[in-house]
Amino acid sequence: GNSVTQMEGPVTLSEEAFLTINCTYTATGYPSLFWYVQYPGEGLQLLLKATKADDKGSNKGFEATYRKETTSFHLEKGSVQVSDSAVYFCALPDSNYQLIWGAGTKLIIKP
Amino acid sequence: DTEVTQTPKHLVMGMTNKKSLKCEQHMGHRAMYWYKQKAKKPPELMFVYSYEKLSINESVPSRFSPECPNSSLLNLHLHALQPEDSALYLCASSQLPGQGAGGELFFGEGSRLTVL
Repeated sequence: GNSVTQMEGPVTLSEEAFLTINCTYTATGYPSLFWYVQYPGEGLQLLLKATKADDKGSNKGFEATYRKETTSFHLEKGSVQVSDSAVYFCALPDSNYQLIWGAGTKLIIKP
Repeated sequence: DTEVTQTPKHLVMGMTNKKSLKCEQHMGHRAMYWYKQKAKKPPELMFVYSYEKLSINESVPSRFSPECPNSSLLNLHLHALQPEDSALYLCASSQLPGQGAGGELFFGEGSRLTVL
């Protein structure tokens, strides 16, 4: 079945640093891929998604490209802010169209 | 209105109590979900309602009882819980069932449950 592997955290960076959070997947076919974010004390919210190979999802300065050659969907941001501190989850659907979640990566940005 | 509202935000209950968690959305979504999230872990799917009918029950113990009174409301009735059931309970909705196929899940802020 489908699965997703996400780099473990926490990831600690200084403000304005470059961010990469790795996500790789195994899947039958080419499912949509998602990044969700959970800010402290809140529920999850969709950050970005890509629905087909070579698609680039982007939102709030974050980007991720659907790469079928490397089965990856890494999350990147050129200059992080303290307000980006959160937990980030990579996800893709299973055969029942329910989301399979990565383990989550906690991001800590220091001023 | 793109909100999913959950009440209460915090709940403390004893193992013999009966309580309910409530969830409401007014986005016209036809699928609603209950997830359980332990600290520092991804959410675990518990139940899915599609068009107000229970379509998925992920082998959840019967001390958790979901209810979908109408297309906007979702309840989770709790009875005889155990301390290990303490967690954040998240409600979510999506426009259509099969959200993983390309749709978006909208989450509430969750109800933090502590079982003493």
